[in-house]
Amino acid sequence: ETGVTQTPRHLVMGMTNKKSLKCEQHLGHNAMYWYKQSAKKPLELMFVYSLEERVENNSVPSRFSPECPNSSHLFLHLHTLQPEDSALYLCASSQEGGIGTEAFFGQGTRLTVV
Amino acid sequence: GENVEQHPSTLSVQEGDSAVIKCTYSDSASNYFPWYKQELGKGPQLIIDIRSNVGEKKDQRIAVTLNKTAKHFSLHITETQPEDSAVYFCAALLSGSARQLTFGSGTQLTVLP
Repeated sequence: ETGVTQTPRHLVMGMTNKKSLKCEQHLGHNAMYWYKQSAKKPLELMFVYSLEERVENNSVPSRFSPECPNSSHLFLHLHTLQPEDSALYLCASSQEGGIGTEAFFGQGTRLTVV
Repeated sequence: GENVEQHPSTLSVQEGDSAVIKCTYSDSASNYFPWYKQELGKGPQLIIDIRSNVGEKKDQRIAVTLNKTAKHFSLHITETQPEDSAVYFCAALLSGSARQLTFGSGTQLTVLP
């Protein structure tokens, strides 16, 4: 257990559905991240929140909408997704600043878009 | 930006043998190099890391070496066991923020009993 909890673990949704992924960290960190992990590809950073403020959005389509209500919680709202969005979505947290900031990952949500 | 290349993409070894995974990075300013292990159905977990002021670090059966001049670093696993089977990712960090972590593409390690 890394201290980062993601729910749900698995999600199947149709292209017209709206769903949300949830992430909670119990580590007291001040930064949280969403990554996308597709088969045979490096981890892709999607969004970064530092001190609850979005600081990075790596050209992610608007059908993905993040929300960070406080430093412990992070959501990813999904709307009208495409089949190619099927992937493992990983949440991570870290403490910004210093040298060598370790990132702790959650278990991920396996998303399938049908 | 940083670019990290990881080899091999798949690696099979007999139980008890050693496994070596290599990564190269492009930006000489990178100063932190973690390795993550991802088991099936789980998120990546940090197993060892090294900073740029150190050439080698060991933790029981795993070790990491760093060659700053050549800009490459390697993960060494000795006396491999079936539970070492997983996907291993290397990463390089440019600054103190984990948002700058650049990951390699991963190595699927299979330890054959």
